[in-house]
Amino acid sequence: SAVISQKPSRDICQRGTSLTIQCQVDSQVTMMFWYRQQPGQSLTLIATANQGSEATYESGFVIDKFPISRPNLTFSTLTVSNMSPEDSSIYLCSVEDLRDTDTQYFGPGTRLTVL
Amino acid sequence: RKEVEQDPGPFNVPEGATVAFNCTYSNSASQSFFWYRQDCRKEPKLLMSVYSSGNEDGRFTAQLNRASQYISLLIRDSKLSDSATYLCAMRDGGSQGNLIFGKGTKLSVKP
Repeated sequence: SAVISQKPSRDICQRGTSLTIQCQVDSQVTMMFWYRQQPGQSLTLIATANQGSEATYESGFVIDKFPISRPNLTFSTLTVSNMSPEDSSIYLCSVEDLRDTDTQYFGPGTRLTVL
Repeated sequence: RKEVEQDPGPFNVPEGATVAFNCTYSNSASQSFFWYRQDCRKEPKLLMSVYSSGNEDGRFTAQLNRASQYISLLIRDSKLSDSATYLCAMRDGGSQGNLIFGKGTKLSVKP
């Protein structure tokens, strides 16, 4: 399976600031996704990061709040903008392997706390 | 209406016990189903896919019941290391849709 890394692994941020999370994969992948997992909740898909075009956002998530970049087939960033305490969560990058497009693998996650 | 529902548990079982989890889904068009395992403060890791004919991997057996719209995970001879949260997931409509996750069922295996 693909090896996925995320930076930072955790951060504590002040209200009103922004944080950019990086996701790096060790091989080219077709699909990259960004999820959020709030305490005691299931994983919620934020958006699909499309290479060379705008991300596709799920209901309840907008580009102004969660801008996403995907400059190539191995890298993506998610920015959490103008943060509030409600944004405290774990943010996870996920990929679909080119060799097995029916399977998603997750990065280690970024644990964000907003004060 | 929740698309994927799981009993949150916790399921507290002794070592060696057999334990089963169910996950019900509302979208009858779903074609692909999965069980993920998530350890505390870690990312979800794929445990197994669930095929129409069932799927067995060692002590783990996954089954799909389309008529009643649920999938199940059976763990035999539980080990302490099986303690984790088990998440079910399925494609949202057909085989190309996004993954929809349940909230997870927490399993604690005691000595």
